[in-house]
Amino acid sequence: DAGVIQSPRHEVTEMGQEVTLRCKPISGHDYLFWYRQTMMRGLELLIYFNNNVPIDDSGMPEDRFSAKMPNASFSTLKIQPSEPRDSAVYFCASSPKHRASGNTIYFGEGSWLTVV
Amino acid sequence: GESVGLHLPTLSVQEGDNSIINCAYSNSASDYFIWYKQESGKGPQFIIDIRSNMDKRQGQRVTVLLNKTVKHLSLQIAATQPGDSAVYFCAENTGGFKTIFGAGTRLFVKA
Repeated sequence: DAGVIQSPRHEVTEMGQEVTLRCKPISGHDYLFWYRQTMMRGLELLIYFNNNVPIDDSGMPEDRFSAKMPNASFSTLKIQPSEPRDSAVYFCASSPKHRASGNTIYFGEGSWLTVV
Repeated sequence: GESVGLHLPTLSVQEGDNSIINCAYSNSASDYFIWYKQESGKGPQFIIDIRSNMDKRQGQRVTVLLNKTVKHLSLQIAATQPGDSAVYFCAENTGGFKTIFGAGTRLFVKA
């Protein structure tokens, strides 16, 4: 299995620009998560989807952030307009459906975002 | 439990020694706990998990202990190796799929 695939791996952008992060979950996984990691706040859950439907977006910091999952194999996290405080590593993760196996989530390698 | 990671606790151990990493979780309703390992430049990777109806679970070179009375988890790594150097996170889950991560502990293994 290829694992969770994220792109871009690294992005440097100017304040005010739109940023789009992309994710392909593991095939067959019904749950998809977006996390943000910073030194100050650690790993924060931003939003998660079940069968392409957003279930909990309470972690999305503000209206500048939006996430979509148009199909089972693709999701985007968009920041518009971006600000320097958005600089972080953004992780996408996915999890299989079956509770019996636990709710283990599998992370991608992350997208390292720097907003200058 | 929102995690705050300004200064990660650090554990330094000699290669071959056993390591014990501790974690306090926040929600007494949490029923599933997971330990993750994060190496530099990579995403967190699953190590071992435990359900709230257990107090101990063993894997290969790793053991997780759960004390629900004091809401405490520990991860024990036997015969620690240089490749074990990483940041270790405990995570808690209250049902459903919302997993909350702790602040993390950095493990240094001295050769």
